[in-house]
Amino acid sequence: EMQLVESGGGSVQPGGSLRLSCAASGFIFSSYWMHWVRQVPGKGLVWVSRINTDGSSTSYADAVKGRFTISRDNAKNTLHLQMNSLRAEDTAVYYCASEVVVVIPTATYPEYQYYGMDLWGQGTTVTVSS
Amino acid sequence: EIVLTQSPGTLSLSPGERATLSCRASQSVSSNYLAWYQQKPGQAPRLLIYGASSRVTGIPDRFSGSGSGTDFTLTISRLEPEDFAVYYCQQCGSSPFFGPGTKVDIK
Repeated sequence: EMQLVESGGGSVQPGGSLRLSCAASGFIFSSYWMHWVRQVPGKGLVWVSRINTDGSSTSYADAVKGRFTISRDNAKNTLHLQMNSLRAEDTAVYYCASEVVVVIPTATYPEYQYYGMDLWGQGTTVTVSS
Repeated sequence: EIVLTQSPGTLSLSPGERATLSCRASQSVSSNYLAWYQQKPGQAPRLLIYGASSRVTGIPDRFSGSGSGTDFTLTISRLEPEDFAVYYCQQCGSSPFFGPGTKVDIK
């Protein structure tokens, strides 16, 4: 069974740090782009960060740039999100999600075909409060 | 920066009725990059549609996606009790983002 399981959430004071993990099983983890998406209860989905298959390319939402770092260990089928300098507004449920992305070589630069985030974890809650 | 707007914010319908959900982008979006998700309370989102109109394996055929450019639509042909949920459109890509969502609730 394909599965993603997040861990590492908890309560932390403003300015503190947390490291979230996402354990993947039942599929070839190294073939998927991975994302972190967060959601304040009762509010919408907010994309946080993504990493490509081999970890050579990452991207972040402006709200977390410079404070959060995404990484992956394909040998251990695990995704991480290191969160530093946490703020009250980082309080949310954090989901990891996987996505198939196909790279299409062209004469100039590669193009990408995105297939959507098709597998999600159950989420882990991060609370930042004094 | 492209902004996704979803309308209506809430759609109140009865089981068996047709639901039409709109997702409008502030700039043209490649159809290959538009996805739809369903989220029920207490659950993670579920991918329904990718590439604007391709249904994910296992998703009932009452769900369909259409559109191009700046206007995209998710249609549920006949609402089943389990379809009452929040639906999000998403622009996929290197830095993806979601629309604010449409809640489909029971009238």
